[in-house]
Amino acid sequence: GEDVEQSLFLSVREGDSSVINCTYTDSSSTYLYWYKQEPGAGLQLLTYIFSNMDMKQDQRLTVLLNKKDKHLSLRIADTQTGDSAIYFCAERGGGADGLTFGKGTHLIIQP
Amino acid sequence: KAGVTQTPRYLIKTRGQQVTLSCSPISGHRSVSWYQQTPGQGLQFLFEYFSETQRNKGNFPGRFSGRQFSNSRSEMNVSTLELGDSALYLCATSQGRTAQETQYFGPGTRLLVL
Repeated sequence: GEDVEQSLFLSVREGDSSVINCTYTDSSSTYLYWYKQEPGAGLQLLTYIFSNMDMKQDQRLTVLLNKKDKHLSLRIADTQTGDSAIYFCAERGGGADGLTFGKGTHLIIQP
Repeated sequence: KAGVTQTPRYLIKTRGQQVTLSCSPISGHRSVSWYQQTPGQGLQFLFEYFSETQRNKGNFPGRFSGRQFSNSRSEMNVSTLELGDSALYLCATSQGRTAQETQYFGPGTRLLVL
């Protein structure tokens, strides 16, 4: 079945850029998503990219998609302490059986 | 627009009991999907409802069921609770016109089974 893989942890210094990577297996994915989850909260949609795009920029967020390698990344510029959270990569494949999520990347901000 | 609301936010039950969780979608959204989040398994898709009908289903036992009302509000029921059902249950809603629409999540219901 479909699978989405992410690193479990990423530690960056405040003010640096954070790059969170994700790989997926479903070649029929049409939309790929990044969600943010803060402690005790639900999932907040950060951004998404359609599979015929290579890049999407939204303020401090840049999403890069390499469809050939099935690799997705999320870059957060000028990382702040408020960015500390778990970031989930998700895809919805050609079927309609819900989103498939990665296990999430814990973003840790060092002062 | 008001966001997705879920009630209750927290629940404590004992093994063998049953529980009902509720999700009210964003106005105009007709699709409601349910997910289970646990530390071990991560986020897993339970089922999706659209126009009062279950449209898709994940790999969960029959103890997990749901329904949707004419106003698009959805309920999820878990019968004969097990310790492993302790989790954060999230619902996500979308307009439901296409399978690829963006889903917006509620804050979740945290269920603890003792």
